[in-house]
Amino acid sequence: GDSVTQMEGPVTLSEEAFLTINCTYTATGYPSLFWYVQYPGEGLQLLLKATKADDKGSNKGFEATYRKETTSFHLEKGSVQVSDSAVYFCALIDNAGNMLTFGGGTRLMVKP
Amino acid sequence: ETGVTQTPRHLVMGMTNKKSLKCEQHLGHNAMYWYKQSAKKPLELMFVYSLEERVENNSVPSRFSPECPNSSHLFLHLHTLQPEDSALYLCASSQEVTGANVLTFGAGSRLTVL
Repeated sequence: GDSVTQMEGPVTLSEEAFLTINCTYTATGYPSLFWYVQYPGEGLQLLLKATKADDKGSNKGFEATYRKETTSFHLEKGSVQVSDSAVYFCALIDNAGNMLTFGGGTRLMVKP
Repeated sequence: ETGVTQTPRHLVMGMTNKKSLKCEQHLGHNAMYWYKQSAKKPLELMFVYSLEERVENNSVPSRFSPECPNSSHLFLHLHTLQPEDSALYLCASSQEVTGANVLTFGAGSRLTVL
């Protein structure tokens, strides 16, 4: 079945540091890939997505590139802010009719 | 506003109580979902409805009973719960169940079972 593996958290960074959160996957066929973010006290919301190999999703300074050869979709941001503190979820949906599959989530804490 | 509204935001109940969680969306979506989010555990998909028909039921105990009276509303009826059922229950909706559809989530209902 489909699966998504994320790096364990929490990830603690100082403001303006570079962020990478690793995500790798196994899936049937050619999945679409997503990053969702959950801010404290809120539900999940879509951060970015990519639907085919080599696509780059980007939003709010975050980027992730769909790498089919390494089955990865790592999340990056050049300079994090305190307001980026949240839990980040990598997810995929395949094209075989299966439901969205989430990774375990990675908590990011950014200190001033 | 995310477009998906959940009530109540917080609920405390005893093990013998009966309560319900409500979810409402006016995004014109055809699919609605219940997820359970527990501390230090992955998100668990509980139920999925497409056009008011249940399409997924992931071995959820019968003390959780979903109801989808129309495409805009989804309920989760709770009875004789256990303390380990304490969690954040998230409702979501999407245009369709399959395909590269983005889920829109509500803010969740925080449930505590005493």
